[in-house]
Amino acid sequence: EDQVTQSPEALRLQEGESSSLNCSYTVSGLRGLFWYRQDPGKGPEFLFTLYSAGEEKEKERLKATLTKKESFLHITAPKPEDSATYLCAVQATIIQGAQKLVFGQGTRLTINP
Amino acid sequence: GAVVSQHPSWVICKSGTSVKIECRSLDFQATTMFWYRQFPKQSLMLMATSNEGSKATYEQGVEKDKFLINHASLTLSTLTVTSAHPEDSSFYICSASRQGAREQYFGPGTRLTVT
Repeated sequence: EDQVTQSPEALRLQEGESSSLNCSYTVSGLRGLFWYRQDPGKGPEFLFTLYSAGEEKEKERLKATLTKKESFLHITAPKPEDSATYLCAVQATIIQGAQKLVFGQGTRLTINP
Repeated sequence: GAVVSQHPSWVICKSGTSVKIECRSLDFQATTMFWYRQFPKQSLMLMATSNEGSKATYEQGVEKDKFLINHASLTLSTLTVTSAHPEDSSFYICSASRQGAREQYFGPGTRLTVT
């Protein structure tokens, strides 16, 4: 069974304090790993797609990396507006040409000013 | 690009009534749309996958007669919760995907409260 585990569940940082969020996965043939940001009461916002081990993507203060077993979302010098829940999802199954996502439980990130 | 809207953003209905939620892709054609439900402080759970013009594929444990999904066009999918009960109260989120693309783009969600 495909599984995604994110850690930590919650993380509090001071503004400017860099850190990393972890996403461990087991999947029968990874087709893609996705990072999303979700603010309270809103739908997830797409951040990155990673397809193969060794791949890295960057966007502003965020950088996502991928190995064969896990992905990291590095946040550098975060600001309070980076506070959100960060969701990791893997895509492993094609059904009728569509691709299912299996989500982790998310990491609730709080950046204190 | 890749904007998805949902309507309504929130709805309150009485137990036993039906509620329809719309999901629209505003600036692209969505060959596939997905419906999720999310409980407080929990992650997204896929309910069903729908392809334009064909029947939806429901996840195990999701009652297809209770959660009716229609994907009548490349920009619109609807979820109807029939004979709603308080336990159906949740946050319902749709997503859409372009043909051949792997990314899913999510709508803002609909908060359903059944009294």
